[in-house]
This record gives sequence, C-alpha cells and structure tokens, in this order.
Amino acid sequence: EVQLLESGGGLVQSGGSLRLSCAASGFPVITYPMTWVRQAPGKGLEWVSAINDAGSDTYYSGSVRGRFTISKDTSGVYLHMDKMRVDDAAIYYCLKGGWGSRFDIWGRGTLVAVSS
Amino acid sequence: QAVVTQEPSLTVSPGGTVTLTCGSSTGAVTAGHFPYWFQQKPGQAPRTLLHDASGTFSWTPARFSGSLLGGKAALTLSGAQPDDEAEYYCLLAYGANWVFGGGTRLTVL
Repeated sequence: EVQLLESGGGLVQSGGSLRLSCAASGFPVITYPMTWVRQAPGKGLEWVSAINDAGSDTYYSGSVRGRFTISKDTSGVYLHMDKMRVDDAAIYYCLKGGWGSRFDIWGRGTLVAVSS
Repeated sequence: QAVVTQEPSLTVSPGGTVTLTCGSSTGAVTAGHFPYWFQQKPGQAPRTLLHDASGTFSWTPARFSGSLLGGKAALTLSGAQPDDEAEYYCLLAYGANWVFGGGTRLTVL
C-alpha cells in the first residue's frame, strides 16, 4: 500500500528554520516526482514546492522561493524551511506526483506554527 | 501569478446533480492546464478525485465526472449523497508551477 507520513512540524520563531520529512512506503520514491502543499488555518490549499523524479530539478512558489529547499532520497522527500515567517504557519502535506506523474496519494500532514 | 477561480459555495439536494467550475485569470482552461480536482472533508487530508480534467482513479466514485466546459474545468456530481459534503479544490498547471483554486464548499441539503 502506498503511504506518505509527514513529520518534523512544530513551533518555530519567526526567522527560524525547520525541516519537514515525508517518509514514503509502498513505492520507489526516487522514481516519482513529489510535491509539498500547505494549508493555512481555515484557508485553502497552496502549492509550495516540487521535485522531479531524479531529484535534479526543483520548483518553488513565489512565496517560498529563496527560503525553502526541497530534496529527496531513497526514503522520502524533505522540505527545509529557512527565514520562516508568520504566514508560513500551516499544515504541510506531502503529495505523490508532479510533472510526468499524476498527483494521487496525500500524506496526513504535519502542523507548523510560527511565533512572532 | 495566475488566479484560479471557483464558486465559494454551492448547495445540492440529496440525489441531485451539481456542477462545480474552475476558471483561470489567464483565459480559457485547456487540457494543457492538466486540471485536477480534490475533495477535502473537515479535519482530513485532501483526496485526489480526478486528473487531466476527466481521468478517474480506482477510488473515484462513479458519480463524479469531469470535463472542460465553456472555457473552464468542471466537476459534475450526479446523485449527490450526504457523504459528498466537503470542500472541493481544483488545481491547474502554469508552466513549471501549479495553482490551486480557492475551493468550493459543497453542501448536500
């Protein structure tokens, strides 16, 4: 069974850093593109970042470019968040898929809170 | 950045039919936007319903269908059930990036 399990969320101060992990099981993560999506409290979904199957190409939304870094290895996909802002507070979801592969399976999400 | 528009809310009667739409600020939504539809119930992670405007997954209930209609992507629910009450989001591709719509809150009442 394909599963994604996010971890690493928590409370961080504005300007601080946090690293999210998404453990993948049931499929070879290194052969699929992967995506991070976030949802601020009471708000809609926002596409954040994606990485291609080989891990060689990365993509970012304008709101996080230059501050967030996506990466992957054989175990999963990661999101390193620097210079965090209050408006980065959200549930962060890992999503299997992207360019060249359908978006299909979602993780349950990990909650990130940012204090000012 | 492009803006993807959805109806903020819609209501459908049990057993009824409703169509949700997804528009783009840049013009007509086409197959090249690779439209997706997601369903999210309160307190849960989203679930992917449709891909490429009308493609389904093994878990997609048959009462959900998708299309490109009048320059928009459309999600049609035929035979609504109380369990279909949820927030529905569309997603469109713009070059290398993707943009979600603001979501449609569907009430079955």
